[in-house]
Amino acid sequence: DIHMTQSPSTLSASVGDRVTITCRASQSIDGWLAWYQQKPGKAPDLLIYQASSLESGVPSRFSGSGSGTEFTLTITSLQPDDFATYHCQQYHSYPLTFGGGTRVEIK
Amino acid sequence: QLQLQESGPGLVKPSETLSLTCTVSGGSISIGSVSWGWIRQPPGKGLEWIASVYSSGTTYYNPSLQSRVTISVDTSKNHFSLRLSAVTAADTAVYYCARRPDYLGWRTWGQGTLVTVSS
Repeated sequence: DIHMTQSPSTLSASVGDRVTITCRASQSIDGWLAWYQQKPGKAPDLLIYQASSLESGVPSRFSGSGSGTEFTLTITSLQPDDFATYHCQQYHSYPLTFGGGTRVEIK
Repeated sequence: QLQLQESGPGLVKPSETLSLTCTVSGGSISIGSVSWGWIRQPPGKGLEWIASVYSSGTTYYNPSLQSRVTISVDTSKNHFSLRLSAVTAADTAVYYCARRPDYLGWRTWGQGTLVTVSS
């Protein structure tokens, strides 16, 4: 199985901050990585697929980068609606696996 | 607009079988290059993929659950289903059904249903 490790597990930030979340895979997954945003009591929403492709309707302040084993999700100017938990997920091979999640909270 | 809706019991007794159905509306389940799956999230924890199925019937399972899980698709009813046998308290979670086009992430999700395992 490919193990996905996210860091940090919790991040405290202010509105307007630039935020970066890292996701590392235990082996190369090329670019087969997705990022999701999840708010309490809600299903996750797809933000990024293929490591850097922005899902339709997602604000351009979100971006993804990386390939192989190291990936990042960046929010260029944090907005109030962005305080949530973010998950990465590899789909290079089965079993599909998720990172442990990063909670972005208000500083 | 494509929508997914989970249905099934919210309470299951230990050692019994959890059964959930995901009904697809606003589109056909019989579409190529799309997998349909189940993902769960225990309270306060992360996401765990359980299983996926294509409309052709091809299935994929998480090895950690494979001995207890069956996923199936019924194209005539435009729904797919999950069965998880011999449940324990560790299977208590919000269960989501979702749709994943090939080469993309899970693009469409149901609202999720909380299943509690308790006597």
